[in-house]
Amino acid sequence: AQTVTQSQPEMSVQEAETVTLSCTYDTSESNYYLFWYKQPPSRQMILVIRQEAYKQQNATENRFSVNFQKAAKSFSLKISDSQLGDTAMYFCAFRAMDSNYQLIWGAGTKLIIKP
Amino acid sequence: EPEVTQTPSHQVTQMGQEVILRCVPISNHLYFYWYRQILGQKVEFLVSFYNNEISEKSEIFDDQFSVERPDGSNFTLKIRSTKLEDSAMYFCASNQGRYTEAFFGQGTRLTVV
Repeated sequence: AQTVTQSQPEMSVQEAETVTLSCTYDTSESNYYLFWYKQPPSRQMILVIRQEAYKQQNATENRFSVNFQKAAKSFSLKISDSQLGDTAMYFCAFRAMDSNYQLIWGAGTKLIIKP
Repeated sequence: EPEVTQTPSHQVTQMGQEVILRCVPISNHLYFYWYRQILGQKVEFLVSFYNNEISEKSEIFDDQFSVERPDGSNFTLKIRSTKLEDSAMYFCASNQGRYTEAFFGQGTRLTVV
């Protein structure tokens, strides 16, 4: 069975700083996707970034980038030049490509950006 | 931009009552899901639906729950005889293909009193 672990329940940084959120996972699958979702106070779940396990290049989306270490089963999210609007819960999620469709979720990290 | 729409945004119901949570997935999507998030806890998978049938369900999704796609656009989650522990945020999601990312609705907050 797959598991996703986020070891940082809460983090806070000053606006404009860079912050890295950690995520590790466990799986025996060789083909899978990893995602970071953002959940602001409105509680909507918003996709931030996605990484295909077969791609060696780390995904980037504007200020958001990942450090994907497949051998270490690590998938951290880096937010550069953090903004007040980045304040939210951030969830790491895993989905196997071949075995099932469901997302397996981490417990989340509460990120607070301070002015 | 197309989006997944859920109604109602908040539902309060008495214990033992039946509730139906509604979702309108993105129109060309083929895979549909329900997840729930009890306050302060992890998001949990409930069920996935494809080709007019359940493709996968979790152990949470027992006989109390059912899903339906009655008219080709709506995707509903029915909870029979609600319990206090069913209070949670319920998210609907859809994706176009098996290997594409899921888009989530804004959620329905269910409160069972």
